[in-house]
Amino acid sequence: GAVVSQHPSRVICKSGTSVKIECRSLDFQATTMFWYRQFPKQSLMLMATSNEGSKATYEQGVEKDKFLINHASLTLSTLTVTSAHPEDSSFYICSARHGKGTDTQYFGPGTRLTVL
Amino acid sequence: DAKTTQPPSMDCAEGRAANLPCNHSTISGNEYVYWYRQIHSQGPQYIIHGLKNNETNEMASLIITEDRKSSTLILPHATLRDTAVYYCIVIRATDSWGKLQFGAGTQVVVTP
Repeated sequence: GAVVSQHPSRVICKSGTSVKIECRSLDFQATTMFWYRQFPKQSLMLMATSNEGSKATYEQGVEKDKFLINHASLTLSTLTVTSAHPEDSSFYICSARHGKGTDTQYFGPGTRLTVL
Repeated sequence: DAKTTQPPSMDCAEGRAANLPCNHSTISGNEYVYWYRQIHSQGPQYIIHGLKNNETNEMASLIITEDRKSSTLILPHATLRDTAVYYCIVIRATDSWGKLQFGAGTQVVVTP
């Protein structure tokens, strides 16, 4: 149990285009999903927290208008990188947790974004 | 949330136990110790967590000292597939639950 998927696993796009990444909890309902970013040889950095049916909460320094997050259902959250530039190239990872309280967070396999 | 300190790297022989230390000397009473690992180019994988008592599951054992200022993750019989970066994270059971702060972790290399 507790499987989280991401799609696509890898995407290459031209500078200026927008890219949407999907995160799904396959066997549980996730009231909260998280989006992380990881640059080469660095650790994961939390970008935003997404609660189903409400606006995402962004970490300091993360542009909410550039990284659009939608958590429309209890099993799906999407991250859209708008007007992507080469510096947005990174490994994007989502995670989800069951519900409230001290529930464990489970991670997706990640999406490798390369902006040319 | 309490910060953690882990050695940057460890080598382990295949088939032997791997003992990964983590210091969290400023941990408070309502903070949990979580362990995740990240195999190269994959998302982190949950391993185990605990509050006060030692815990064991099919992947590993977690030993937490009585004063809770440090813990050890034990992989009982390391395999080559256990090569990964291991993260020890302390998290408080509050409204911000789930905001995991990843440090540098310990790079574990299991050798034949």
